[in-house]
Amino acid sequence: SQQGEEDPQALSIQEGENATMNCSYKTSINNLQWYRQNSGRGLVHLILIRSNEREKHSGRLRVTLDTSKKSSSLLITASRAADTASYFCATALSNDYKLSFGAGTTVTVRA
Amino acid sequence: KAGVTQTPRYLIKTRGQQVTLSCSPISGHRSVSWYQQTPGQGLQFLFEYFSETQRNKGNFPGRFSGRQFSNSRSEMNVSTLELGDSALYLCASSTETGLAGGPGLYEQYFGPGTRLTVT
Repeated sequence: SQQGEEDPQALSIQEGENATMNCSYKTSINNLQWYRQNSGRGLVHLILIRSNEREKHSGRLRVTLDTSKKSSSLLITASRAADTASYFCATALSNDYKLSFGAGTTVTVRA
Repeated sequence: KAGVTQTPRYLIKTRGQQVTLSCSPISGHRSVSWYQQTPGQGLQFLFEYFSETQRNKGNFPGRFSGRQFSNSRSEMNVSTLELGDSALYLCASSTETGLAGGPGLYEQYFGPGTRLTVT
């Protein structure tokens, strides 16, 4: 079974707009990671946020983590066509070192 | 540095056969993990090797096995193939150096995957 659940399952936006997707998980985590997968570049790591962190930035990406609500969000600002991909959250439980992926959010950026 | 490489990229096998997939991690990476990706089950963790030892294991039957060599290269074997084993098999490596740990603790660098089709 999957630890993380992304919402929405799919998202379609205009180039230049922001995209937000959420990830909810069930049990305490050590950290949470976001990955992107597209046909051209495979699965690529975006950001890792530890359980004692609340927010991290990387370029146009902003990730927040709310451990009290067991949820995280990924914001992509000023989206580009190249951002079209599936985005996955992945969690490492606090008592386990395995990486558990969610089902993903498919983002389509329209020109 | 060269990225994670996987061979072969595509494979077609018949039910009942066995298959071996290979993964070469990024130079200097000692942790290698394997994942199965299917439309129905998504991305699922198979196992992780560190310093030639299986350190973490997912919930897959014993038909799925692996090993790691002294140069950190890893192989994954699936015996008695079933139709449901058709999937994209991804390998990932990471830079962690501790003896205790696993793929959940560090950024994972993924290879392009091996697309296995079982007929």
